[in-house]
Amino acid sequence: DAGITQSPRHKVTETGTPVTLRCHQTENHRYMYWYRQDPGHGLRLIHYSYGVKDTDKGEVSDGYSVSRSKTEDFLLTLESATSSQTSVYFCAISESPHNTGELFFGEGSRLTVL
Amino acid sequence: GENVEQHPSTLSVQEGDSAVIKCTYSDSASNYFPWYKQELGKRPQLIIDIRSNVGEKKDQRIAVTLNKTAKHFSLHITETQPEDSAVYFCAANGGTSYGKLTFGQGTILTVHP
Repeated sequence: DAGITQSPRHKVTETGTPVTLRCHQTENHRYMYWYRQDPGHGLRLIHYSYGVKDTDKGEVSDGYSVSRSKTEDFLLTLESATSSQTSVYFCAISESPHNTGELFFGEGSRLTVL
Repeated sequence: GENVEQHPSTLSVQEGDSAVIKCTYSDSASNYFPWYKQELGKRPQLIIDIRSNVGEKKDQRIAVTLNKTAKHFSLHITETQPEDSAVYFCAANGGTSYGKLTFGQGTILTVHP
């Protein structure tokens, strides 16, 4: 498996609290992504990064922000968590998305917002 | 943006039978169509992909076909085995980079011994 770790793996929080999920990679891949997985919706892209300090929005970016200050780390922040953000969050990396295409996913972070 | 519809949502087959999962997409600019397999409690993993300049691709027991005119693509699994039981997702890239994918809703495949 590609060297991707997500933390925390499980988190329960309350509505209105801030939450940060971390994705750490040891593959030195330039491209990183955050997807959320919900029943009936498959996986949906939240934000992605194509380099240090270079990020852009995906399909469902409202309520989320990201930061990438180092190649190996991509942080996803929920400034004020809501129950609709209860989901499983997957980080993914790719080496060269204009050529090879394959996404390598982390193990996922299950977030419950009460 | 791109929209991907996947059918069926659940599929149950006997070991040794074939399984077919179908997807349609909306954006004619899409040129990359991967399939991911996700076992229970695990991460999604790429099993096969196809680009728009190819009509069919095979890898052992799995194959993918693409019909650009009709905007649909399908996953075919032959001689199914219990270890094929998983959730399968199709995706399309909407003509953007291969990593910015729109996924289908998923198909739960169960292979009975």
